[in-house]
Amino acid sequence: DAKTTQPTSMDCAEGRAANLPCNHSTISGNEYVYWYRQIHSQGPQYIIHGLKNNETNEMASLIITEDRKSSTLILPHATLRDTAVYYCIVRAWRDSSYKLIFGSGTRLLVRP
Amino acid sequence: EPEVTQTPSHQVTQMGQEVILRCVPISNHLYFYWYRQILGQKVEFLVSFYNNEISEKSEIFDDQFSVERPDGSNFTLKIRSTKLEDSAMYFCASSSEGTQYFGPGTRLLVL
Repeated sequence: DAKTTQPTSMDCAEGRAANLPCNHSTISGNEYVYWYRQIHSQGPQYIIHGLKNNETNEMASLIITEDRKSSTLILPHATLRDTAVYYCIVRAWRDSSYKLIFGSGTRLLVRP
Repeated sequence: EPEVTQTPSHQVTQMGQEVILRCVPISNHLYFYWYRQILGQKVEFLVSFYNNEISEKSEIFDDQFSVERPDGSNFTLKIRSTKLEDSAMYFCASSSEGTQYFGPGTRLLVL
């Protein structure tokens, strides 16, 4: 799996957009970008994933650059409950038994 | 919304004892996983399971660990003889195709 690089920590004000970057310059053609988050010591929570097109769901938007070497997770209106560690993970889609490799992630602090 | 459940939420055991951690995956999922997270460290993959057999396991998953799907709904992780270093959060996950969904975890403390 391609390696990802994320900032160690970020913060944003409540109600503002949180933009979390991820670098995955060695991503290959069949690899998807997945985002999970972990609030305190709870189980990782799936947020969104994409291959090359931008994606949006009820939680977030995912913007993937045209060369697919980086992406940004956008939480449009961050709340205090979005304070968590956010993980960007690259993995192939078709091999469903493939493990997820978690890095250290980005610790996002949403300030009141 | 369907979700992965895990029991117990907390388990305290003595070193050398056997523990069984239980998971109920999402009902139509076919792929099952165990991960663990030692306090303050990364989430680590332990094992994946499909079609009643292990499809991949990590170096952590040694002979002290085993997994089983004893019936149509449960997925278990057994640690035969616990060590102090097995103290961690253990997460079960399941998937139908690509996206894995995680349970809330079992906090295991080995004394």
